[in-house]
Amino acid sequence: DGGITQSPKYLFRKEGQNVTLSCEQNLNHDAMYWYRQDPGQGLRLIYYSQIVNDFQKGDIAEGYSVSREKKESFPLTVTSAQKNPTAFYLCASSRRLAGDFREQYFGPGTRLTVT
Amino acid sequence: AQKITQTQPGMFVQEKEAVTLDCTYDTSDPSYGLFWYKQPSSGEMIFLIYQGSYDQQNATEGRYSLNFQKARKSANLVISASQLGDSAMYFCAMREDTGGFKTIFGAGTRLFVKA
Repeated sequence: DGGITQSPKYLFRKEGQNVTLSCEQNLNHDAMYWYRQDPGQGLRLIYYSQIVNDFQKGDIAEGYSVSREKKESFPLTVTSAQKNPTAFYLCASSRRLAGDFREQYFGPGTRLTVT
Repeated sequence: AQKITQTQPGMFVQEKEAVTLDCTYDTSDPSYGLFWYKQPSSGEMIFLIYQGSYDQQNATEGRYSLNFQKARKSANLVISASQLGDSAMYFCAMREDTGGFKTIFGAGTRLFVKA
């Protein structure tokens, strides 16, 4: 079955530690995205990538970093510079860059808690 | 400036009754799209319905309809014959065509369906 996997589902870290969230897709999609969701809020775009070895900042990129070395993988690192890292993180992919979520496929998300 | 406003943090509806979730938006772009998404407690984002700014008729998708009032800049979601499985967070979102692929979300409305 094609889809997007994110691991782990729940992640706990101490303040000051970097943490990397995994996102893998086997849909052969070119574009991938990372979103952040805070309680009671909608999604906000962190980073996106249209193609391997290329990525762009979204609306809230400060304190985050990404890499796109393989088409299938788009890991997100939450650095110690991110002031409020506790949130729900969703990864998505699409065949082409798209703002229409009918074209985006979402992973199950990772809930990160930093104490 | 906030571009999508959902004024109802929480709503209750009796099973089998209809419910309206409010959404107002602000844009100066004449071409835009409006979306509603459902997010169950599991976290995935489920696309429900889409309305383009130039669409003459209100969009409908099964039990979902979008009450689009362009002059008032409102795009309310109507769910008919509510079911227990409709209990979830609902997000209104907008994509401005000059904004490329980015989508802006409202804060969401949590719907509780009572048996």
